[in-house]
Amino acid sequence: NAGVTQTPKFRILKIGQSMTLQCAQDMNHNYMYWYRQDPGMGLKLIYYSVGAGITDKGEVPNGYNVSRSTTEDFPLRLELAAPSQTSVYFCASSRDYHTYEQYFGPGTRLTVT
Amino acid sequence: KNEVEQSPQNLTAQEGEFITINCSYSVGISALHWLQQHPGGGIVSLFMLSSGKKKHGRLIATINIQEKHSSLHITASHPRDSAVYICAVGSGMDSNYQLIWGAGTKLIIKP
Repeated sequence: NAGVTQTPKFRILKIGQSMTLQCAQDMNHNYMYWYRQDPGMGLKLIYYSVGAGITDKGEVPNGYNVSRSTTEDFPLRLELAAPSQTSVYFCASSRDYHTYEQYFGPGTRLTVT
Repeated sequence: KNEVEQSPQNLTAQEGEFITINCSYSVGISALHWLQQHPGGGIVSLFMLSSGKKKHGRLIATINIQEKHSSLHITASHPRDSAVYICAVGSGMDSNYQLIWGAGTKLIIKP
């Protein structure tokens, strides 16, 4: 099993550009999450999904969109990149939301200049 | 005040020392997670516990629900234990359930 994979690993965007961060898992997990991690801060939940076709906002959803057309994939879309979106983005998955551990991807380091 | 506080923020110790990292929280929880973030950035789940104590190799996690406090201990620390250790608490029910994350404790073990 590859676990949770993310692409790209690094990306530099100009202000106003758009991009999609890809996330895939092969563990047949229902729950998937997108987090951002700013330097010295805890993880913040952007969006999560409880299954294909179902997504919901987390703590910091503004400026982002997600979709979940399959169990395996959960892409994160940045439509108009802003410097405030410079961060490390982590995708994670879990069998359930309540009592199961989360498995994390390797992260995407995004810089918006 | 943050709902999940970790202490210390930074810890440097010599190889072989016994390490303790603390996590205090102010909300009712259903579970508490300890995770390790490697210097390269990868995050790995270490423990999930709702009561008592769990042990895995040289790592021990304890939780005191009444005092709203958990500790992560590392025995016979080694330079490869150098990482950021993150505490997260699960709070709420059903659609209100959320994980609240601590800011992490950066641990450096010197040989």
